[in-house]
Amino acid sequence: KNEVEQSPQNLTAQEGEFITINCSYSVGISALHWLQQHPGGGIVSLFMLSSGKKKHGRLIATINIQEKHSSLHITASHPRDSAVYICAVRGAYSGAGSYQLTFGKGTKLSVIP
Amino acid sequence: NAGVTQTPKFQVLKTGQSMTLQCAQDMNHEYMSWYRQDPGMGLRLIHYSVGAGITDQGEVPNGYNVSRSTTEDFPLRLLSAAPSQTSVYFCASSYDEPYLSPLHFGNGTRLTVT
Repeated sequence: KNEVEQSPQNLTAQEGEFITINCSYSVGISALHWLQQHPGGGIVSLFMLSSGKKKHGRLIATINIQEKHSSLHITASHPRDSAVYICAVRGAYSGAGSYQLTFGKGTKLSVIP
Repeated sequence: NAGVTQTPKFQVLKTGQSMTLQCAQDMNHEYMSWYRQDPGMGLRLIHYSVGAGITDQGEVPNGYNVSRSTTEDFPLRLLSAAPSQTSVYFCASSYDEPYLSPLHFGNGTRLTVT
């Protein structure tokens, strides 16, 4: 089974800072998801990637398949970015039709004005 | 579009009671799933469906039942609630398998079993 580790567990930043959240996994994957869980509890999909880099607004996600590592970057952070960020992976060797994702425990980000 | 709608938002049950958590999506997604989220743990898959009439077990299926009679609806039934089922439950849908398409989540149901 894939082990997914996120770091840091908690992160406090000043508004405007550049933020990096890390995700490492133990077994080869076919896809990696970054999710955002709002303080109210709702979960939103930010990125899905299997290689390289994706950018959406101030958010950038990168993945290094050889090192089994992904990072989520937030540029010019804002208090509205305060949320829990969750990494999830789908194993490369999951059977056809397998829906199983392995989720990290999340990184709680607080951005202070 | 409403996306994924879960009801109720909150529920308190006594041990042994049964209930159904409702989930509906209006995006014509074939893939639907139920997760539970517990403190200090990642989301865990309970059951999932790859289309109407087709369901399968996830990582933690015991004590839960599902059916998929339509593309839109995927209810989760607790047969005899236990305190260990106290959790936050999320329904999610996607148009394809999770290595091919992003997930769309409902707002969650917070369930307490006393």
